[in-house]
Amino acid sequence: SQELEQSPQSLIVQEGKNLTINCTSSKTLYGLYWYKQKYGEGLIFLMMLQKGGEEKSHEKITAKLDEKKQQSSLHITASQPSHAGIYLCGADLDSGNTPLVFGKGTRLSVIA
Amino acid sequence: DTEVTQTPKHLVMGMTNKKSLKCEQHMGHRAMYWYKQKAKKPPELMFVYSYEKLSINESVPSRFSPECPNSSLLNLHLHALQPEDSALYLCASSQGQGLPQHFGDGTRLSIL
Repeated sequence: SQELEQSPQSLIVQEGKNLTINCTSSKTLYGLYWYKQKYGEGLIFLMMLQKGGEEKSHEKITAKLDEKKQQSSLHITASQPSHAGIYLCGADLDSGNTPLVFGKGTRLSVIA
Repeated sequence: DTEVTQTPKHLVMGMTNKKSLKCEQHMGHRAMYWYKQKAKKPPELMFVYSYEKLSINESVPSRFSPECPNSSLLNLHLHALQPEDSALYLCASSQGQGLPQHFGDGTRLSIL
């Protein structure tokens, strides 16, 4: 079974529109990481969230961890073609003692 | 530019060849990782080195042999690989387990 569920699997948005990607766990998230990957390249670290209710922003991307620490959302405001790629959430499910678990990713396309 | 450098970027090898993938980081990170990523899938953890000692081996076949010569370098020795081993191999490093991992751009490996 998949420990981290990401939704949607893919997303096509028009340039300038806002969008949200969700990452849900059945277990408490001790750390939640958001990464972006372009095809055939490495993962680029975006943000890390650890505390319930925590919210972080980087340029037009905002990520939030819910109070129960079981769900995170990634929100992009006024999307641009440069935002296109695969967004992956990764999680520590055991206080850093077990390997990072990744969601299956969300493929984002931004059309002009 | 990534701070984790992987070489080579592409590698084509036969099933009887021996080759090595190399990874280098100069961020002073003490944990280093090897991941395997197939197309349209999230990265799968293979090995973790912590303070130059192998701490996690995710039941990887013995035809993959990791080596950590020093705190900045991580190698993955390949021998007698199978066609199903064709994938993108990613190296990552972090200050410690439970902290954000920074990825290289990967080596795209093709087994003939």
